[in-house]
Amino acid sequence: AQRVTQPEKLLSVFKGAPVELKCNYSYSGSPELFWYVQYSRQRLQLLLRHISRESIKGFTADLNKGETSFHLKKPFAQEEDSAMYYCAPPDSGTYKYIFGTGTRLKVLA
Amino acid sequence: NAGVTQTPKFQVLKTGQSMTLQCAQDMNHEYMSWYRQDPGMGLRLIHYSVGAGITDQGEVPNGYNVSRSTTEDFPLRLLSAAPSQTSVYFCASSVAGGPIDTQYFGPGTRLTVL
Repeated sequence: AQRVTQPEKLLSVFKGAPVELKCNYSYSGSPELFWYVQYSRQRLQLLLRHISRESIKGFTADLNKGETSFHLKKPFAQEEDSAMYYCAPPDSGTYKYIFGTGTRLKVLA
Repeated sequence: NAGVTQTPKFQVLKTGQSMTLQCAQDMNHEYMSWYRQDPGMGLRLIHYSVGAGITDQGEVPNGYNVSRSTTEDFPLRLLSAAPSQTSVYFCASSVAGGPIDTQYFGPGTRLTVL
């Protein structure tokens, strides 16, 4: 079964500093990976997905098949980026979505 | 278009009580699922459904039942609540459950079992 690891439970950075939230997955194929975000008092929502190659709110994520990683990056963190972030690939060959344990990002003023 | 709705928002149960968490979506999505969110554990899949009349187990199905009689509704039943089921429960839906489908989440139900 697909596994996904987010090694940091909490990541604190200062406003304006670069941010990298790590995500490693175990899958030998070409997974479709997602990042979901949960802001305080809001529901989980899609932030970005690998297939779209998009940049949302300044965040990008590059799929590195060699390292099996899909790290989320932003060059200059903003206070409004403070939230819980989940990396999520669908399980190979099933309809199950597997979420990582999440990383709480705190952007300090 | 309300998206995914969940009721109730908060619930307190005593050990052994039963209850049903409601989930509905108005986007005509075939795929619906239930997750529980626990500190340090992330989101864990309880049950999912790929269409009316079809359900299957996720990662942590014990203690929970589901049914899918309509496309719109996907209730989650706790038959005999236990303190270990204290959690925040999220319902989600997507078009078809495919690997590139975006999941849309409900606002969550915070359940406490005493």
